[in-house]
Amino acid sequence: GAVVSQHPSRVICKSGTSVKIECRSLDFQATTMFWYRQFPKQSLMLMATSNEGSKATYEQGVEKDKFLINHASLTLSTLTVTSAHPEDSSFYICSAPPTRGRGEQFFGPGTRLTVL
Amino acid sequence: AQSVTQPDIHITVSEGASLELRCNYSYGATPYLFWYVQSPGQGLQLLLKYFSGDTLVQGIKGFEAEFKRSQSSFNLRKPSVHWSDAAEYFCAVAQGGDTPLVFGKGTRLSVIA
Repeated sequence: GAVVSQHPSRVICKSGTSVKIECRSLDFQATTMFWYRQFPKQSLMLMATSNEGSKATYEQGVEKDKFLINHASLTLSTLTVTSAHPEDSSFYICSAPPTRGRGEQFFGPGTRLTVL
Repeated sequence: AQSVTQPDIHITVSEGASLELRCNYSYGATPYLFWYVQSPGQGLQLLLKYFSGDTLVQGIKGFEAEFKRSQSSFNLRKPSVHWSDAAEYFCAVAQGGDTPLVFGKGTRLSVIA
């Protein structure tokens, strides 16, 4: 199957700093990518939809100025957590449906963010 | 809006016993249905998916699921559980291939000897 990578896999940062997470589709193009967040012992919740060449759309309750999303190309979307705080500590996972796919989406391995 | 219900938060089964994890969804049309497994601290692994066609779907690791439209269900089954199957299982639904997934709250599976 197709591969989606995320970088970094794990990051620890101090409160108030910004962290960038990359999501790459390695062997297919994705016009759209999705960003999910998973708090400990909880399910995955959609944060935002990243669209190549246009602005991201955010789910209700997700601060667009705090979680900056840039879909720079058909294979790369980035999520920047600005001025991170301990409550932003979570597991962030991206997924990408191939532009000419047959219905399946491919998930990245996730990024564990810990804000001290 | 779509929703997914996994009624069982935690299930414990003996190794070698059969397993069924329940999943019900709420959606007007036939959705795309998925089961994922997640080990602690790890990402998601797709077990199986249903888009259309045969309502009994075979997946990896000996899992299968059956789509029942009349019951809006997509239950996951395995005839004989192995200790390595202990993990968190998520059922998910999507409207189409390029729409985001809505996940259930998950069922934690424990396997005892």
